[in-house]
Amino acid sequence: GENVGLHLPTLSVQEGDNSIINCAYSNSASDYFIWYKQESGKGPQFIIDIRSNMDKRQGQRVTVLLNKTVKHLSLQIAATQPGDSAVYFCAENLYTGTASKLTFGTGTRLQVTL
Amino acid sequence: NAGVTQTPKFQVLKTGQSMTLQCAQDMNHNSMYWYRQDPGMGLRLIYYSASEGTTDKGEVPNGYNVSRLNKREFSLRLESAAPSQTSVYFCASSETGFATYGYTFGSGTRLTVV
Repeated sequence: GENVGLHLPTLSVQEGDNSIINCAYSNSASDYFIWYKQESGKGPQFIIDIRSNMDKRQGQRVTVLLNKTVKHLSLQIAATQPGDSAVYFCAENLYTGTASKLTFGTGTRLQVTL
Repeated sequence: NAGVTQTPKFQVLKTGQSMTLQCAQDMNHNSMYWYRQDPGMGLRLIYYSASEGTTDKGEVPNGYNVSRLNKREFSLRLESAAPSQTSVYFCASSETGFATYGYTFGSGTRLTVV
């Protein structure tokens, strides 16, 4: 079946630098995409989302970009902080008409160095 | 605090034993989900319940059963545990039928089957 994948399993960045985490998806029918942050021992935490009719959305220090032409999603974190260290997952949502179903990528570990 | 509550947080089972993982949400969400997360992998959908009274299989349903007890509660049962079911299990909930705001996840149940 179609799935969501990630280009980089681990990303190390220096505190204060910008981070870019990438994700490839393959289901062109997906209508909604979400980035989650997961800290050790905790459940995934919603960061930011974007609908398929948009190509960019900004939050506080985070920006998600969607390129439907190449089926690519990215998460940009500005001025990365030690508290940003975690595993980041992209997920694509497919609404079936009765329920939404999220398919997750394998995750990218972000390591912030001082 | 509003959210998704899972019990227990940790569990060790012997092969062949049965157990039920409990999940409750207090956000009045209609849809609830069970995922498993294996080391180095993303979350995979086991079962979901679009609304009270309905349940459907996800990506990896074999070896599991679910019950949507009421709108708040969605339980996951392992009838005869196997070592392959060693994993971290996450329950999640979302708004009616469409993940407008993404899913809200519980903190997980770490299950080891020996």
